[in-house]
Amino acid sequence: SQQGEEDPQALSIQEGENATMNCSYKTSINNLQWYRQNSGRGLVHLILIRSNEREKHSGRLRVTLDTSKKSSSLLITASRAADTASYFCATDRVRGAQKLVFGQGTRLTINP
Amino acid sequence: DAGVTQSPTHLIKTRGQQVTLRCSPKSGHDTVSWYQQALGQGPQFIFQYYEEEERQRGNFPDRFSGHQFPNYSSELNVNALLLGDSALYLCASSLVKQGADTQYFGPGTRLTVL
Repeated sequence: SQQGEEDPQALSIQEGENATMNCSYKTSINNLQWYRQNSGRGLVHLILIRSNEREKHSGRLRVTLDTSKKSSSLLITASRAADTASYFCATDRVRGAQKLVFGQGTRLTINP
Repeated sequence: DAGVTQSPTHLIKTRGQQVTLRCSPKSGHDTVSWYQQALGQGPQFIFQYYEEEERQRGNFPDRFSGHQFPNYSSELNVNALLLGDSALYLCASSLVKQGADTQYFGPGTRLTVL
């Protein structure tokens, strides 16, 4: 079963705009990670945020984590056509690369 | 530095057959995890291998089995294939000995069961 849900399920924006995706989960976590998937291919790791962190940045990506609300958000700034993909959040409960529990993903489309 | 590799890329089988999928982890990694991703869904954890033993297992039947070799590569075997086994099978590797939490995924094997 899925750990949580991404919201929205699909998002379509214009190139240059910012995209925000949300993820909710059900149980306590050790880490939360965001992955990108292009057209049913492999997952690309984007960013990992630990349960004791509240915000993390990587290039055009900004991730926040609110453990009291069991939620996270991924912000992509100045979107590009190449950002078109599905984005998944995944959580683990124990340290040491334990099993990841994924949401169902957000399908992001960047229109030129 | 080679990333995670998987073979084959695509596979077509018929119901009742058996299939073996292969994974080579990222250089230096010691742990391999397998995930099944049905169309339109997020990946679901099948099992994880570390030091040639199954370390964790998800909610998959015994028809799904695996193996890890001394060079850390891994195989996923599925017996008595069902139509519902059609999915993208993803392998991920990590370095557990150093306490790393990030898992790196391969490109996947697309299995179609007819």
